[in-house]
Amino acid sequence: DIQMTQSPSSLSASVGDRVTITCRASQNIATYLSWYQQKPGEAPRLLVYAASTLQSGVPSRFSGSGSGTDFSLSISTVQPGDFAIYYCQHSYNFPWTFGQGTRVEI
Amino acid sequence: QVQLVQSGAEVKKPGASVKVSCKASGYTFSDYYLRWVRQAPGQGLELLGWINPNSGDTKYAQKFQGRVTMTRDTSITTAYMDLSSLRSDDTAVYYCARSSHGLDVWGQGTTVTVSS
Repeated sequence: DIQMTQSPSSLSASVGDRVTITCRASQNIATYLSWYQQKPGEAPRLLVYAASTLQSGVPSRFSGSGSGTDFSLSISTVQPGDFAIYYCQHSYNFPWTFGQGTRVEI
Repeated sequence: QVQLVQSGAEVKKPGASVKVSCKASGYTFSDYYLRWVRQAPGQGLELLGWINPNSGDTKYAQKFQGRVTMTRDTSITTAYMDLSSLRSDDTAVYYCARSSHGLDVWGQGTTVTVSS
């Protein structure tokens, strides 16, 4: 199985900061990479697919980049509703696997 | 609107089985694979497998082979995930999710608690 490793595991930010989360795959996954946001008690929400394509309805302050083994998710100007856990997930082959998550907190 | 609605919380004893349902609405059920994902308390996300609602074909993660069965009833646009021989470490929230570009629509989750 492909291992997905996120860093950092958690980070502290203030409203208005720029935040970047990285995700590394254990092998080349081209751009078969998605990012999700999860808030307490809720299901995950798809933010980005194909490494850099923003899901419909997701604010433009979110952006994804990368290919191969190294990827990142950035939030240009953190808003109060962005404090959550973020997961990357590959869809290169079966089984799809997720990173361990990055908690973005105040 | 497009949505997946799951069945309610379950409490089971070790060794028992649980069957979780996932009813789809607002889109053509047979057009999208459904994947099942679980999340243990305070932990990350883990894929159990997928079902093709059109053909009924399934694929399961090796960890769950022999214990998980995914089925569907196209007449009522509902998918099911059956997990047997439950253990305490199967305690988790189980989600169904539509597979498009990524997992774009999720059910609300079903809490399964395994306790003696």
